[in-house]
Amino acid sequence: GESVGLHLPTLSVQEGDNSIINCAYSNSASDYFIWYKQESGKGPQFIIDIRSNMDKRQGQRVTVLLNKTVKHLSLQIAATQPGDSAVYFCAEDNTDKLIFGTGTRLQVFP
Amino acid sequence: ETGVTQSPTHLIKTRGQQVTLRCSSQSGHNTVSWYQQALGQGPQFIFQYYREEENGRGNFPPRFSGLQFPNYSSELNVNALELDDSALYLCASSLGGAQSFSYGYTFGSGTRLTVV
Repeated sequence: GESVGLHLPTLSVQEGDNSIINCAYSNSASDYFIWYKQESGKGPQFIIDIRSNMDKRQGQRVTVLLNKTVKHLSLQIAATQPGDSAVYFCAEDNTDKLIFGTGTRLQVFP
Repeated sequence: ETGVTQSPTHLIKTRGQQVTLRCSSQSGHNTVSWYQQALGQGPQFIFQYYREEENGRGNFPPRFSGLQFPNYSSELNVNALELDDSALYLCASSLGGAQSFSYGYTFGSGTRLTVV
């Protein structure tokens, strides 16, 4: 069946370091993926997206990599800041609905 | 431009009761999707409304129902509440039809429903 999962439930990084959050998906026909950030008491907030015809897309301090061969996504956050602390979800856009993974909690310590 | 607003923010109901949650979509958006997010889990798709009709449904029983109004706002109704219905209910608006692939969905902050 379809699923979007994450390898690590919690990731702790030191302020200033780079963070890498990973995600595996199972539907090889998926053509659009999104990373969301969710802070406590808030809804998911769009970070960056990527289509299946791309391998890499960069935003401000964030980069998403897509490896279609192994059905793997990653989110890289450069120079991680305390404000980056949140739960991060990858989501697969599947015919007008999003399929989310369980999420990875990113903790940033000084 | 306003974002997605949901009401109420918190709600406590008794098992067996009925509940209605409300969502106002972002300006310019005509499609509303509802998601259920259990504690420690990712959001799960309930259904989507486009042009006032249900346009896709996830694996949720019929006691979960919805409405969309001409102004694109929406309601989620849950009948015969069960303890497992306790969750954060998220509403997301988007521009349906020719879906944009960038910034497609805007989420509200959700309604925290507790069933006791």
